[in-house]
Amino acid sequence: NAGVTQTPKFQVLKTGQSMTLQCAQDMNHEYMSWYRQDPGMGLRLIHYSVGAGITDQGEVPNGYNVSRSTTEDFPLRLLSAAPSQTSVYFCACYGRADEQFFGPGTRLTVL
Amino acid sequence: SQQGEEDPQALSIQEGENATMNCSYKTSINNLQWYRQNSGRGLVHLILIRSNEREKHSGRLRVTLDTSKKSSSLLITASRAADTASYFCATGGSGNTPLVFGKGTRLSVIA
Repeated sequence: NAGVTQTPKFQVLKTGQSMTLQCAQDMNHEYMSWYRQDPGMGLRLIHYSVGAGITDQGEVPNGYNVSRSTTEDFPLRLLSAAPSQTSVYFCACYGRADEQFFGPGTRLTVL
Repeated sequence: SQQGEEDPQALSIQEGENATMNCSYKTSINNLQWYRQNSGRGLVHLILIRSNEREKHSGRLRVTLDTSKKSSSLLITASRAADTASYFCATGGSGNTPLVFGKGTRLSVIA
C-alpha cells in the first residue's frame, strides 16, 4: 500500500496562476485533511472532508477550494495564486482509530 | 479552534539524555496525539492518549496527560541523534473533528 500520495512534490507558480494539488489515499479512510506549514507556524488546517461529497473549512480556507468525489481523492485547488500561499502543503487521512497518516508534502512557491 | 501549544520551542540535548516536551491546550478533548516531523518530511504519528488515560508508554516514549491542567508531556528517554526532529502535539481528530496542531518543539540531539 502506498498510503497517502501527493503530487507534485515541488511547484513554482506565478501570481495569479491556478493549479491543483493532488492527494490520494489507498487506506479506505473516511476522513481527509489539507494543511499548510509555514516556518514557525506549525500546521494550519485549510479544508477537511468527513466523507465523499462532504467538505468543510478549516482555519485558513481563503483562496483554496476542495472537492471530494471519491473516498480516495481529495484535490486542493488554488484559484489565483498569491505569494502568501508560498508554503509546504500536507494532505492527511484518518479512520476511526484517529491516527492521521500524512503524505510527503508539496512545496509550493508563488512568485 | 482548540490548539496545543508546545513548550519549549527548541531543545538541545546530548545523546543519552532524556528530552521532555510539554503541550498545553485550551478546551476539553477526547484524545491528544503526538507527532514527529523530520526535516522536510511529512508528519509521523507517535502516540495517542485518550482523555481517560493518564500515562502511556511506547518504547522509549512516555506520554502523560493531565486533563485538569489541560496539559500533556512527551518524554523521550535515552535520546539518540536520530531523534532530532520537530515534535507536535495535536488535539481533536475524533470522527468529524479534524486535528489541530501546535507550533511544535524542535529537538536537537547532539552526538
